[in-house]
Amino acid sequence: QSALTQPPSASGSPGQSVTISCTGTSSDVGGYNFVSWYQQHPGKAPKLMIYEVNKRPSGVPGRFSGSKSGNTASLTVSGLQAEDEADYYCSSYAGTNNLFGGGTKVTVL
Amino acid sequence: QVQLVESGGGVVQPGKSLRLSCVASGFTFSSYGMHWVRQAPGKGLEWLAVMSYDGRNKYYADSVKGRFTLSRDNSKNTLYLQMNSLRAEDTAVYYCAKEIEVWFLYYGMDVWGQGATVTVSS
Repeated sequence: QSALTQPPSASGSPGQSVTISCTGTSSDVGGYNFVSWYQQHPGKAPKLMIYEVNKRPSGVPGRFSGSKSGNTASLTVSGLQAEDEADYYCSSYAGTNNLFGGGTKVTVL
Repeated sequence: QVQLVESGGGVVQPGKSLRLSCVASGFTFSSYGMHWVRQAPGKGLEWLAVMSYDGRNKYYADSVKGRFTLSRDNSKNTLYLQMNSLRAEDTAVYYCAKEIEVWFLYYGMDVWGQGATVTVSS
């Protein structure tokens, strides 16, 4: 199965919002509410930011939010802060498999 | 605190085998599904495999099916990844990760290890 499709980059100024898309198919993103998002800083392990489309784990700031429409899921970071600059990966259940997107590098201008 | 620690990485020749271990602490290991995910140098994340909390169910990505084998020892709070017939393209950092929800799979991976580096080279 193919990886999910994410834009390679996104950017915003401090305080602004940025939205990252994650496009799959009806066999993965569109078929299940098991979409999650991970943040990864250079040289570090990934960190779970959103699970089950729009749930935030304990400790993740409320300015991170997730949504889904059809075969596309989205992660929105509101009120961008310098520490939000990182790579972001979406992931989806795909029927006994799990797929990741190619990753989006978010730059805080 | 909740922690996963991988070990067993190293440099190995193509065609050889390696076994990674992931030791868990700070949570009830036997209640959670566990994943392996890898990241090749400069590349994105690739999901490899998942095992249910009781070891009864395991699923693999096509890229490693038939070469990699998952197992777990709940009495030792340890997850294993046996990697056979290694190829240059298996060179990566290998992470183990814990499911966020008790009993279930695929909801999300909320705890990750620091990663074990595997280099396949002659």
